[in-house]
Amino acid sequence: GDSVTQMEGPVTLSEEAFLTINCTYTATGYPSLFWYVQYPGEGLQLLLKATKADDKGSNKGFEATYRKETTSFHLEKGSVQVSDSAVYFCALSGGSYIPTFGRGTSLIVHP
Amino acid sequence: GAGVSQSPSNKVTEKGKDVELRCDPISGHTALYWYRQSLGQGLEFLIYFQGNSAPDKSGLPSDRFSAERTGGSVSTLTIQRTQQEDSAVYLCASSLNGNQETQYFGPGTRLLVL
Repeated sequence: GDSVTQMEGPVTLSEEAFLTINCTYTATGYPSLFWYVQYPGEGLQLLLKATKADDKGSNKGFEATYRKETTSFHLEKGSVQVSDSAVYFCALSGGSYIPTFGRGTSLIVHP
Repeated sequence: GAGVSQSPSNKVTEKGKDVELRCDPISGHTALYWYRQSLGQGLEFLIYFQGNSAPDKSGLPSDRFSAERTGGSVSTLTIQRTQQEDSAVYLCASSLNGNQETQYFGPGTRLLVL
């Protein structure tokens, strides 16, 4: 079945540091890929998405590129802020109507 | 427009009691999902509704858990005879039609079973 593997956290960075959170997936067919973010005490919200190979999703300075050859969708940001502290979930939605989520990666950004 | 809403936001109950959790999806969204998120864990799929079709209940952990969706809109998740291990955040999400669509999540209901 489908699966998503993302790096374990917490990831701890200083403000303005470069961020990478790795995400790889296993799926049949051509899934859509997502990054969701969960701020403390809130539900998840979409951060960005990509629906086909080589697409780049971007939002709020975050980017991720759909790499079919490496089955990856790594999340990057060039300069993190304290306000980016949250839990980030990689997810895919393929032939099944039930999305598959990674376990989440906690990001802590210090001033 | 309004997003997904859930009620109550917090619920404390005693072991053995029944609880009902409510989800109001975004108007016009035909797909509705329930998930459970335990402390420090990822999302555990519970149940999926799509329009008037029979729900996919494959994620329900036991027969103490049930859910219904009335009129293709509001959904209620019921947990009977609650156990301490049921303590978690219960998240509801809706999407336009479920197929590779963005999910819109509610803020969750934090359930604590004493």
